[in-house]
Amino acid sequence: QVQLQESGPGLVQPSETLSLTCTVSGGSISSYYWSWIRQPAGKGLEWIGRVSSSGSTNYNSSLKSRVTMLVDTSKNQFSLKLSSVTAADTALYYCARDESVGRAHVYWGQGTLVTVSS
Amino acid sequence: DIQMTQSPSSLSASVGDRVTITCRASQSITNYLNWYQQKPGQAPKLLIYVASSLQSGVPSRFSGSASGTTFTLTISSLQPEDFATYYCQQSYTTPRTFGQGTKVEVK
Repeated sequence: QVQLQESGPGLVQPSETLSLTCTVSGGSISSYYWSWIRQPAGKGLEWIGRVSSSGSTNYNSSLKSRVTMLVDTSKNQFSLKLSSVTAADTALYYCARDESVGRAHVYWGQGTLVTVSS
Repeated sequence: DIQMTQSPSSLSASVGDRVTITCRASQSITNYLNWYQQKPGQAPKLLIYVASSLQSGVPSRFSGSASGTTFTLTISSLQPEDFATYYCQQSYTTPRTFGQGTKVEVK
């Protein structure tokens, strides 16, 4: 059974860089795209972007200038960096796998709350 | 970017009701439309992919359909465990985009 687990600081200072890692277990990170999705409290889902197992990336247009996603196949992990954060970046951050069929997200992490505050 | 317009934003229904949620894409996405259910404190759960394919393990009371750029999620007979928020998502192209969500509440 594939499992995803997000990890990283729960509190980030304004203007600093948010860094999260997603660890994949129960399956290989190879041959898939891996996405980051966030959800501010009480609001909807926002797709941040995705990274392939070979390192190809696609990002949300509105976040593109601040986002970097990387993959580490040796550790079965992928990561998200979001620079110059503000309070508007406070959200629950999920990682998820993109399926080949339908390109939907079957497997999700439990989510990790990141608060931007001084 | 492709805009996904979901309606209604909320609805009140009773157990046993037939519930319909609509999602409209701003341009053609062929059938690359997915539906998710999210309950408080949980990650979203995939219900339907490519517009009408039922994800494994999802009850058959959930169904999806498409007509052009308009997509519909139907719950044929609402069950107590179905009170939740539902989201559509286009996976035709990047950036992927979600609808605003529909909260199904107890009437």
